[in-house]
Amino acid sequence: KQEVTQIPAALSVPEGENLVLNCSFTDSAIYNLQWFRQDPGKGLTSLLLIQSSQREQTSGRLNASLDKSSGRSTLYIAASQPGDSATYLCAVKSENFVFGPGTRLSVLP
Amino acid sequence: KAGVTQTPRYLIKTRGQQVTLSCSPISGHRSVSWYQQTPGQGLQFLFEYFSETQRNKGNFPGRFSGRQFSNSRSEMNVSTLELGDSALYLCASSPLASDRITPLGYTFGSGTRLTVV
Repeated sequence: KQEVTQIPAALSVPEGENLVLNCSFTDSAIYNLQWFRQDPGKGLTSLLLIQSSQREQTSGRLNASLDKSSGRSTLYIAASQPGDSATYLCAVKSENFVFGPGTRLSVLP
Repeated sequence: KAGVTQTPRYLIKTRGQQVTLSCSPISGHRSVSWYQQTPGQGLQFLFEYFSETQRNKGNFPGRFSGRQFSNSRSEMNVSTLELGDSALYLCASSPLASDRITPLGYTFGSGTRLTVV
């Protein structure tokens, strides 16, 4: 059974810092891994999708990497802004999507 | 291009009642998945429909059911509501079924917030 964990559970940083969010999964037989952002009480916004054959994806200030053999992915956010404050979820697609518990990020102005 | 539309946005029901939630996927998407999100359990998979057939089902009691129509719109029904069913219910659409590799990933709706009192 696939299990996904994320560390840290919460993170508070001053504006402008670069930061790394971590995601680990137990079963490396995945199709892809997707990072989402969720604002309080809202749905999920897709940030980056990495196919199992890829090593990383970039979109603006975001960069996600995938090491399937070790069951790890990282989301790197450069030059963080207060608008980046949200919960970040990673999800791995095996038979279904399995979500991690999320990292709650606060970027302080 | 319209996104995934979920209705209603908010719902308050009494214990014992039943509820039906609706999800309209992105045009052309044939797969709809449903998830329950609670503070204690996080996001949990309920079921997936593709071309009007249930493809996968999560570990939820039979009170939770769903269906998909020929236009790919999906409904989720919960009968005999319990307080613990209070949650944000999210649906996601994808062009392909979950066992097919899709480069597009999943697109989520804004959810229906269900409160059971």
